Amino acid sequence: AQKVTQAQTEISVVEKEDVTLDCVYETRDTTYYLFWYKQPPSGELVFLIRRNSFDEQNEISGRYSWNFQKSTSSFNFTITASQVVDSAVYFCALSVPPPGQLTFGSGTQLTVLP
Amino acid sequence: GAGVSQSPSNKVTEKGKDVELRCDPISGHTALYWYRQSLGQGLEFLIYFQGNSAPDKSGLPSDRFSAERTGGSVSTLTIQRTQQEDSAVYLCASSRDRSYEQYFGPGTRLTVT
Repeated sequence: AQKVTQAQTEISVVEKEDVTLDCVYETRDTTYYLFWYKQPPSGELVFLIRRNSFDEQNEISGRYSWNFQKSTSSFNFTITASQVVDSAVYFCALSVPPPGQLTFGSGTQLTVLP
Repeated sequence: GAGVSQSPSNKVTEKGKDVELRCDPISGHTALYWYRQSLGQGLEFLIYFQGNSAPDKSGLPSDRFSAERTGGSVSTLTIQRTQQEDSAVYLCASSRDRSYEQYFGPGTRLTVT
């Protein structure tokens, strides 16, 4: 069975601060995929990133960066210079194909204050 | 291109009635998933379709829930004899294949009164 833990239920920061969202996962499979999704107040889940278990390279996309560490089973997400538009619920998820359904964490509500 | 679409966006039904929720996946996506999101349970997997293979129904909470996918495209999730605990947002997602990222629709908010 797979499990994803997002220990931070809510985080509040002031605009331009950096913020890191934590994600810890559990699986016995050696091949798996990790994801981050954003759910803004509008409600639609927006895909942010997918990483496979064999690729531990960190990734940067604009103000977003991801730190994947198999040794600690963590896949953390950092937003640099946060903006009000970053306010949303962020979900970390894990899939093990087949069949590949997502196991989600409970989400972290990020509020960025102006 | 067009994303995943779902209809209706909102559905209010009386306890005991049957409901049908529809999902149109992204064209060309072979994998289709249904999830539901509720305050108490978070995001839960319900059912998965891959091409013409038999669906993976391992996440369906009871035999009142069923789903089909016609022609490898549109999918319908049916809930029979709805109960109040079925109230949730039902989300559909599709992906190129089971290993790829899933793209979600806007969801159907179901309220059982």
